[in-house]
This record gives sequence, C-alpha cells and structure tokens, in this order.
Amino acid sequence: EAQVTQNPRYLITVTGKKLTVTCSQNMNHEYMSWYRQDPGLGLRQIYYSMNVEVTDKGDVPEGYKVSRKEKRNFPLILESPSPNQTSLYFCASSLDGLYGYTFGSGTRLTVV
Amino acid sequence: EDKVVQSPLSLVVHEGDTVTLNCSYEVTNFRSLLWYKQEKKAPTFLFMLTSSGIEKKSGRLSSILDKKELFSILNITATQTGDSAIYLCAEDVGNTPLVFGKGTRLSVIA
Repeated sequence: EAQVTQNPRYLITVTGKKLTVTCSQNMNHEYMSWYRQDPGLGLRQIYYSMNVEVTDKGDVPEGYKVSRKEKRNFPLILESPSPNQTSLYFCASSLDGLYGYTFGSGTRLTVV
Repeated sequence: EDKVVQSPLSLVVHEGDTVTLNCSYEVTNFRSLLWYKQEKKAPTFLFMLTSSGIEKKSGRLSSILDKKELFSILNITATQTGDSAIYLCAEDVGNTPLVFGKGTRLSVIA
C-alpha cells in the first residue's frame, strides 16, 4: 500500500529534550515536506526537500532541523523543543511537488 | 484505500472558465471538511464546512458540503491565471489528525 508513515502519532515531552519525528514514504517520491498545523493558522511549511541531500527552509523553520540522506526518509528533528512547538505535524510526499500529494497521519506533539 | 478522494487529479482551463473540483470523504467521526490552496509552499486555508447545504463564499470561490452524499465541491468562477494551484481537501475527524486527499492540480491558461 502506497503511504507516508509518521511516527510517533502522539508525543508528550519536556522542554529541551531532543526529539525526532520520523517520516517514511514507499512511493519513490522525490519531494517531501513537513508542515505544522495550529488553530487559526492553517498548515505552515517547516522544511521541504526536492531530492536526496537537498533541503530548503519553508515559512517557519526556526527550531527545526531535517535531513534527507535517503529518498524514502525525511525525519524532523527538534534539538531543544519549546512549548511554542506544541502543534500537529504533518509529513507529505509528492512525485515532483506539483501534484499527487500523499499526507502522513500526523503527529500530535505536546511540549511541557 | 483512500478515505478522502479528490477529482479530477489535474485540470486545464482557459481564463474566464468556471471550474468545479470534487471531494468525497468517509463519514466516520466527521467534524468538518476543509479546502486549501497550495501554490509554492504551504497550503493556504480557504474554507471550513461543517453544515450540509450551506454555501461558503469568498470572492470568486465558493464551496458547499453535502453530508448525506458525503462530498463537497469547490467552485471557482471567472478563473484567472493566479488561480493555478493545487487544491487540497481534508477531513477533520476529531482527535486524530486531518485526512487529506491527493489534491487537484488546476492550470489556468491565458
């Protein structure tokens, strides 16, 4: 089954404790992207990647890191999480970033 | 199996045309249906629909939800080249995150 898999689905953590949210796709897509969804703000892009070893900042990259060492994986790293990073996170992939997006199920992160 | 299905996948129209984009969804724990416009980066929120039969309107864009038949449509009248984008439909099912369709790519040519 073609899909984007995010883990974990839910995470509660403390301020300053490094964490990684994984994202993996099995469709051989070139393009992958991370978003956060906050009430009243819609989806905002954090980082995206057009291909292996190619990553670019989105609209809200502060406090996040990503890596794209393999085509299928695009982990989101929070080196020192803060409460304002409490949000709902989505990973998505697309063949070329133009259409045919597949979204992951989301990760609900709470930083206390 | 996809839970939110959008059609068509891709559409090319001339400026001035009217387009209708479709989104069907599953009913389990339905709370609302959302439409987004994606251009270069993050999707831009367009509409949130919760009640059946009530049209939401913003300029040349409008959307309506049919909770009986489990679908929504997004209409764009008098299309302009600036309407070219990917239009995403998503279902809010409550405590679990949004479920997105794959999007419809709209290209408006002069």
